[in-house]
Amino acid sequence: EPEVTQTPSHQVTQMGQEVILRCVPISNHLYFYWYRQILGQKVEFLVSFYNNEISEKSEIFDDQFSVERPDGSNFTLKIRSTKLEDSAMYFCASSDQPIVRQFFGPGTRLTVL
Amino acid sequence: KNEVEQSPQNLTAQEGEFITINCSYSVGISALHWLQQHPGGGIVSLFMLSSGKKKHGRLIATINIQEKHSSLHITASHPRDSAVYICAVRPMNYGGSQGNLIFGKGTKLSVKP
Repeated sequence: EPEVTQTPSHQVTQMGQEVILRCVPISNHLYFYWYRQILGQKVEFLVSFYNNEISEKSEIFDDQFSVERPDGSNFTLKIRSTKLEDSAMYFCASSDQPIVRQFFGPGTRLTVL
Repeated sequence: KNEVEQSPQNLTAQEGEFITINCSYSVGISALHWLQQHPGGGIVSLFMLSSGKKKHGRLIATINIQEKHSSLHITASHPRDSAVYICAVRPMNYGGSQGNLIFGKGTKLSVKP
């Protein structure tokens, strides 16, 4: 079965630094998502992306966050100036239509020191 | 108020037992997802359903739209089924947007040999 991949698997950064989390969605998928899960808490939606633009975002997704599809395969989440509370597991997902099963990547664990 | 409630929060079963995990939600939805999160953190999509019942191997998912309730059943449970099972709903936004996923807190299942 095709897979969503994410890199790196673990990123450690200093507070205030910029980080870019990378995802390669399944190749024929058109809808892309980022979620996060703070340790011990439930998964939370961050943003959905379709046709090279954000289709929906949550209140968590403030001006510090941005997403981009820089080429035909990658989908990135950038955090401009990381805070301690950004420490979480970040999951990328993709689907070929909006209301169907989403395929999740393995996640990137972000630790902000 | 949590829009997605799961019960039980924790469940311990003996190998071979029939297991039921419940999910109740308070918003109108266009779809409901059942996800499995392994101890390492990875998320796998099990089912996406908007009505009726779906079956895949030993897993069965049902949904009652009128009662805003879904159940995930595992027949002949096995230690490898041990994971966190998460219910997530896609709310129906009448403005036309498809909305994002709202997650439950998960049910931690442990199946003992």
